[in-house]
Amino acid sequence: DAMVIQNPRYQVTQFGKPVTLSCSQTLNHNVMYWYQQKSSQAPKLLFHYYDKDFNNEADTPDNFQSRRPNTSFCFLDIRSPGLGDAAMYLCATSPEVLVGGEQFFGPGTRLTVL
Amino acid sequence: AQSVTQLGSHVSVSEGALVLLRCNYSSSVPPYLFWYVQYPNQGLQLLLKYTTGATLVKGINGFEAEFKKSETSFHLTKPSAHMSDAAEYFCAVSNTGNQFYFGTGTSLTVIP
Repeated sequence: DAMVIQNPRYQVTQFGKPVTLSCSQTLNHNVMYWYQQKSSQAPKLLFHYYDKDFNNEADTPDNFQSRRPNTSFCFLDIRSPGLGDAAMYLCATSPEVLVGGEQFFGPGTRLTVL
Repeated sequence: AQSVTQLGSHVSVSEGALVLLRCNYSSSVPPYLFWYVQYPNQGLQLLLKYTTGATLVKGINGFEAEFKKSETSFHLTKPSAHMSDAAEYFCAVSNTGNQFYFGTGTSLTVIP
């Protein structure tokens, strides 16, 4: 089945230790998104890629970076995680930036910062 | 600007009872509206969406929602709750750039 895969599902890191979260997709979609979802809150868009074009949300901290080496993979790098970065990180894809288009979500990676 | 308000962060219903989850939106352009469901420790799954056309939209698992422009609402309903419906439900509105704005979610509990 075509899908969005996130690895690992659970990640534990230490305060200030860089961490990378991975997302891959077999849907061959052009657009990939990263969301941060804190406990009992709505998902918040961090950035998205349209093909290789990177689009950062204005309020995304500089501590968060992303890479998309090819169509299938996208990575979220947190350079110096703080306690406030503990959250569920959701990857999503869509075929194009279409009006009314659906986004397809992966299962998420839950990040714990010690 | 677009935004979504979900009234009631927690809703409890008895098994077999009507489910009603409320969503109101604000949008400066014709809205595109979505309901997603999230089970514990999982990603979001699309239940249904409204883009254009018929205002009553049917989705998966027996859910439906009605777009009411005059009330700026897109409430989610299901005639008879099942235990498996217990989850977090998110309403979202998207803009012309396909950016999603999510509500803060409603946690549905189904009581046996």
